[in-house]
Amino acid sequence: TQLLEQSPQFLSIQEGENLTVYCNSSSVFSSLQWYRQEPGEGPVLLVTVVTGGEVKKLKRLTFQFGDARKDSSLHITAAQPGDTGLYLCAGPTIKAAGNKLTFGGGTRVLVKP
Amino acid sequence: NAGVTQTPKFQVLKTGQSMTLQCAQDMNHNSMYWYRQDPGMGLRLIYYSASEGTTDKGEVPNGYNVSRLNKREFSLRLESAAPSQTSVYFCASSRGKGYVANYGYTFGSGTRLTVV
Repeated sequence: TQLLEQSPQFLSIQEGENLTVYCNSSSVFSSLQWYRQEPGEGPVLLVTVVTGGEVKKLKRLTFQFGDARKDSSLHITAAQPGDTGLYLCAGPTIKAAGNKLTFGGGTRVLVKP
Repeated sequence: NAGVTQTPKFQVLKTGQSMTLQCAQDMNHNSMYWYRQDPGMGLRLIYYSASEGTTDKGEVPNGYNVSRLNKREFSLRLESAAPSQTSVYFCASSRGKGYVANYGYTFGSGTRLTVV
């Protein structure tokens, strides 16, 4: 069974601080995706990382895929209140048709002004 | 750019009542999914459809049925609602069809269902 564990479960920081969210598994994933979900809305895809060791940047967000493709991290620099939300990682379920994803439990981030 | 449209947005049901949640996508995606999201439980897959004409069970299918009406539409039916089915339901779609799964999902904005 492929499981994705996210840590921490909840993070509360002041505007301007940095934060890192982790997504870990004992299984190898061919890729990992990161989503952000704002209150009252569905998750929105932020990025997909495919290659072990890959680093992708999206403005103040930096995503890294572990060399062994078992883990990923999301780092936010100088967080803003607009970064508040639930961050979810997800990876493809092996031997399952239909692009089936396994989701982590999420990290809830609160950025206070 | 409608993306994934879910109806209704809110619903209150009495125990034992039935209802159908509707979902439609306009992106010509192959696969569609129904999830429920509960506090502390994350997103749990109820049913999914890898292509038009096929459906498969996810983690928590009991109490639900689905219909992939055509490539655009994927509905979720609760035959006899129970309080345990109080949740937020999300429909999603993706381009992916086969076993290689690197495509992202597009989610609808959700249906908030309360069963009393």
